[in-house]
Amino acid sequence: DAGITQSPRHKVTETGTPVTLRCHQTENHRYMYWYRQDPGHGLRLIHYSYGVKDTDKGEVSDGYSVSRSKTEDFLLTLESATSSQTSVYFCAISGTGLGNTIYFGEGSWLTVV
Amino acid sequence: GIQVEQSPPDLILQEGANSTLRCNFSDSVNNLQWFHQNPWGQLINLFYIPSGTKQNGRLSATTVATERYSLLYISSSQTTDSGVYFCANAAGNKLTFGGGTRVLVKP
Repeated sequence: DAGITQSPRHKVTETGTPVTLRCHQTENHRYMYWYRQDPGHGLRLIHYSYGVKDTDKGEVSDGYSVSRSKTEDFLLTLESATSSQTSVYFCAISGTGLGNTIYFGEGSWLTVV
Repeated sequence: GIQVEQSPPDLILQEGANSTLRCNFSDSVNNLQWFHQNPWGQLINLFYIPSGTKQNGRLSATTVATERYSLLYISSSQTTDSGVYFCANAAGNKLTFGGGTRVLVKP
């Protein structure tokens, strides 16, 4: 199994509060991704990183920011959580971008009330 | 953007049966991957298969890039094969997922 740890695994938060999800990898992979999974929408890319301090937006980036100050950590921040951001969030890693196998973390279940 | 369609959307199998899942693409197939999401939500990479055929135990996959489709074969299905199977195709830095095939293997 790829060494990917997401935290927290489960969180309930109130509307308007900031939330940070952490993805930690031990594989020294260059590429890291944040996806959200929702019924009827499948998996959608939020943001990705192609190196330390190198990030870019995905298809559903509004309301989210990311940071990558170290190779092993990729943080996803919901600046002001809304109910529409209730979802399951998956981190993924890949050694050479999408031209190689991509591995997913176990997911973080976030509920915004 | 590229469209990814999976069929069938749902599949019920008796343990021991064989089955084929299909993934069709509206555009060029690049860096195609198959994933299994188990009932606990964990996403496992099954195959990275941009073209050709690969086998891993009871599972095998074939991608025909020129015809824009990929197939996942499950042989001698087991209850642990239950879950949702996704295919995904890469274009640029974006991995586009199909809607999935939900598989239930009954004992």
